[in-house]
Amino acid sequence: SAVISQKPSRDICQRGTSLTIQCQVDSQVTMMFWYRQQPGQSLTLIATANQGSEATYESGFVIDKFPISRPNLTFSTLTVSNMSPEDSSIYLCSVDGLGTEAFFGQGTRLTVV
Amino acid sequence: QKEVEQDPGPLSVPEGAIVSLNCTYSNSAFQYFMWYRQYSRKGPELLMYTYSSGNKEDGRFTAQVDKSSKYISLFIRDSQPSDSATYLCAMTTQGRDDKIIFGKGTRLHILP
Repeated sequence: SAVISQKPSRDICQRGTSLTIQCQVDSQVTMMFWYRQQPGQSLTLIATANQGSEATYESGFVIDKFPISRPNLTFSTLTVSNMSPEDSSIYLCSVDGLGTEAFFGQGTRLTVV
Repeated sequence: QKEVEQDPGPLSVPEGAIVSLNCTYSNSAFQYFMWYRQYSRKGPELLMYTYSSGNKEDGRFTAQVDKSSKYISLFIRDSQPSDSATYLCAMTTQGRDDKIIFGKGTRLHILP
């Protein structure tokens, strides 16, 4: 399984500001995934990031709010823009395993005040 | 009906007991089934991964899939306080590019 490092591990941000979350993988991977985990809710896929192309966003998520970069095969960033308290959540980076399973970073716990 | 249903708990059991965690689902196309364990302030960690119906055992953990009933289970034998965590079921279809659908997770407390 891949080792995924995510930072920051947590942050408290003012509304209206932006936060960029970094995800580093110890091996080259084709696709990286960004999830949101809100209290009491299922993990929700935000977008899929392929190297060299624009990220693919799921319904309800837009690039202006969650811009993603994927500059190489081991790194990606997710930015949460113009934050509001509703964006308070855990954000998780993920990569595929050999099959269809997913492996996750430790998550970024975001609180917007 | 949600695609995946999972009782959020919390479920509290005494140390040494057998724990049974369950999920139901509605999409008969799901073929791959996973269980993740998530400790507080950590990301989900893959515990068990099974394909189609049947049982899979790994140490104290047994994953069971009943596709006819659209029901999956995770059993933990000889439960330990270190098993206290949130357990998420997850499933996906045949295609590698298909999304993984997660349950909301069940919070489990093992009482010493």
